[in-house]
Amino acid sequence: DSGVTQTPKHLITATGQRVTLRCSPRSGDLSVYWYQQSLDQGLQFLIQYYNGEERAKGNILERFSAQQFPDLHSELNLSSLELGDSALYFCASSVPGSDTEAFFGQGTRLTVV
Amino acid sequence: DQQVKQNSPSLSVQEGRISILNCDYTNSMFDYFLWYKKYPAEGPTFLISISSIKDKNEDGRFTVFLNKSAKHLSLHIVPSQPGDSAVYFCAASANSGYALNFGKGTSLLVTP
Repeated sequence: DSGVTQTPKHLITATGQRVTLRCSPRSGDLSVYWYQQSLDQGLQFLIQYYNGEERAKGNILERFSAQQFPDLHSELNLSSLELGDSALYFCASSVPGSDTEAFFGQGTRLTVV
Repeated sequence: DQQVKQNSPSLSVQEGRISILNCDYTNSMFDYFLWYKKYPAEGPTFLISISSIKDKNEDGRFTVFLNKSAKHLSLHIVPSQPGDSAVYFCAASANSGYALNFGKGTSLLVTP
């Protein structure tokens, strides 16, 4: 158990809908990262938050947004869903400081039908 | 643009032998490199890392080698065990505390 909790584990929804994925980081971790893993792809970095503030953006679509709340949990909002958004979405967290690894949750499998 | 590349999608090794997984990167700003292991239906788990100031880091059966001039790193597993069968991801970051860039992974199968 990495200490990072993601809910829900599975989500099936229709095209055009909106969903919210939730992540609770490890205790004490200030950074939260969101990654997308599509079929046969590596983990694509979407966005990073650090202590409530957006720190870095990767290949995140405009239809997607995220936030980190004062209690440090984070939510990833995906809207106007398309079939191609079907993927595994991982959240990771890390402690502040240099050369630290990120710890990953078990992921949310999103299926858009 | 894939900045971290794992050119071997799969590797099969006999139990007891050495497994060598390779990774190349293109961004010379990367200064921290990691290997993650992933089982199906689970999130990636951290395995071993290396800073750019080193060229080797060892942890039990796992050793990571870094060749900065070639922009290449490798993970050696000796001896390989069936439980090592998983997908291995190479990752790199520039500027500590920033996001990791991942390769597409290499699926390792260790056969008895």
